[in-house]
Formats: sequence, structure tokens, C-alpha cells
Amino acid sequence: EAEVAQSPRYKITEKSQAVAFWCDPISGHATLYWYRQILGQGPELLVQFQDESVVDDSQLPKDRFSAERLKGVDSTLKIQPAELGDSAMYLCASSRLTFPSYEQYFGPGTRLTVT
Amino acid sequence: DAKTTQPNSMESNEEEPVHLPCNHSTISGTDYIHWYRQLPSQGPEYVIHGLTSNVNNRMASLAIAEDRKSSTLILHRATLRDAAVYYCILKQNSGYSTLTFGKGTMLLVSP
Repeated sequence: EAEVAQSPRYKITEKSQAVAFWCDPISGHATLYWYRQILGQGPELLVQFQDESVVDDSQLPKDRFSAERLKGVDSTLKIQPAELGDSAMYLCASSRLTFPSYEQYFGPGTRLTVT
Repeated sequence: DAKTTQPNSMESNEEEPVHLPCNHSTISGTDYIHWYRQLPSQGPEYVIHGLTSNVNNRMASLAIAEDRKSSTLILHRATLRDAAVYYCILKQNSGYSTLTFGKGTMLLVSP
């Protein structure tokens, strides 16, 4: 069964350093999502791509976060500089299309700890 | 976005049925009702979704009230592997709709 791949699984970084996360969605899935999940809360959408285009980045802190999906396949989420409050689980998900009847498939996530 | 209300936690015994409630009194006519679950240290996993009619799949059943203001996720025989946080989410039928997660219901299953 196809899965969403994410790397690294765990990342520890110091405050003010740069960090990057990678996501490879299920083959053929046009829509890709990045979520952030703080411990004890549900995931929160950061950015949504349709193919290579950003269609929703309203909750992305653009002063320090950036995301790209250059060829409409895999994607990278970057934080520069990292802050203590960025410690969280970063989840990537994909779906065939954005229609409400389509489910999203989530990867295992990257656990980020900022010290 | 229309909001959902779920109990913070529920408990069940293994091999017994579990009914997880969700209230969504402000649901619009075209909102889909989605359920996802998140096992410890994993990403969320799709469980089931529906619009108006009750739905069944290999994981669970979804019972939707006639007025659509509430729904119930039914696990027919809980196992220890069903212990997870269950999220009830309304997904809009417009544009690039996505999932807005609340805090969900933490299901505890005892042997």
C-alpha cells in the first residue's frame, strides 16, 4: 500500500538555526498539505499545494517559514530561524484531489525539538 | 468553518461496541462529515466520511442524524489497537477545502 514518506523522523536544532523537512506524497496525488501539531492539540494546516501552486498559506508564518513543491511532486518545508515555539510535530499529507469526498493520507511526521 | 463538539475522552472494554458522538449543529447542507483517528506517535488516519446517509466500511460505521446536526462513529468491536484520538471534521464542498481539526475524543480501550 502506497504511503506518504517524510524525513527526517526526528530533528533537534538550536534556536536561530535553519531546519528543513521533506515530504514525498503518494504517487499521482495532486494535492499536498503541511500541518503543524502541538502536543495535546489537533493538527493545524500551514500550507496547501495544488500541483506546484500554493492555494492556501494563510496560516503559514511567512517571516520564518517557507514551502515549495517545485515539480509538483515532493515538497520541502523550511524554518529559518527556528524559535523555541516551533517545537512540534510537522505532518505532511496528500490527496488525489481537493474535493470534500476525497480523503487525505498522512505521513508519520517529523518531530522537531528546538533548544 | 462550521465547528464540531466531541467529548474529551471515552472509555471502552475490548470486544465491545463503541459509539463516539459528534455534534455539528451549524453544519451547512453541502458539508461532508469526516472522521480521522490518530494513534500514539503516528499521523492521522482516515476512518470514514459521509454526507447524508449512513455509511459502512471495513473500519467502522457512520450514523448521521436525519437533521445532520449530529453523527456517531461506531466501532463494532473495539480492540486495543483502536485506542486513539478520534477527530470529527466538517469538510466544506467549496474551492480548495481542507480539514480543520479540533481536539477530538481520546478513546481508551481496556482489556
